[in-house]
Amino acid sequence: EPEVTQTPSHQVTQMGQEVILRCVPISNHLYFYWYRQILGQKVEFLVSFYNNEISEKSEIFDDQFSVERPDGSNFTLKIRSTKLEDSAMYFCASMRNTEAFFGQGTRLTVV
Amino acid sequence: EDKVVQSPLSLVVHEGDTVTLNCSYEVTNFRSLLWYKQEKKAPTFLFMLTSSGIEKKSGRLSSILDKKELSSILNITATQTGDSAIYLCAVDHSSGTYKYIFGTGTRLKVLA
Repeated sequence: EPEVTQTPSHQVTQMGQEVILRCVPISNHLYFYWYRQILGQKVEFLVSFYNNEISEKSEIFDDQFSVERPDGSNFTLKIRSTKLEDSAMYFCASMRNTEAFFGQGTRLTVV
Repeated sequence: EDKVVQSPLSLVVHEGDTVTLNCSYEVTNFRSLLWYKQEKKAPTFLFMLTSSGIEKKSGRLSSILDKKELSSILNITATQTGDSAIYLCAVDHSSGTYKYIFGTGTRLKVLA
């Protein structure tokens, strides 16, 4: 069964460093998303991406964040100058019709 | 402000029990409500509900939407230890690209 894959599964980075989280969505899906879940809190929408551009973003998704689909298959989330409060599980999701399928997540720990 | 509220926050039951999880929402533009099961990492899709009063069923799980009450329930009958997970309710509330707002989830623990 096709699935969304994310790498790495866990990343530890020092505060102030840049990280890139990678996702390979399901191949015939059209909408791509990043969500995050801070430990013990709810899943929060970050950004949606359609037709090679951002279609919507939340207040969380400020200038520190960017997304790209560089080669038609990968979908990346870049976090510049990471802060301690960026520590969270980051989920990529893709959607063809109406329900989103989530990847296993990348646990980002900023120290 | 759009919000999704789930109750209870956590629940401990014994195998064989039946549970009912609740989700209520206040959103400006409702399109659908989805239930997900989150075990160790990724939420996995259970149901999508768009029409009021129509029950969706998959094995021991079932769910129904009540648009008048702005709520949904997820029922699990004859619970098993493998049902232990966080159950997430999400509402698609955008007018353009699909976008979910999630509840905090209900943590279910089923004891043997």
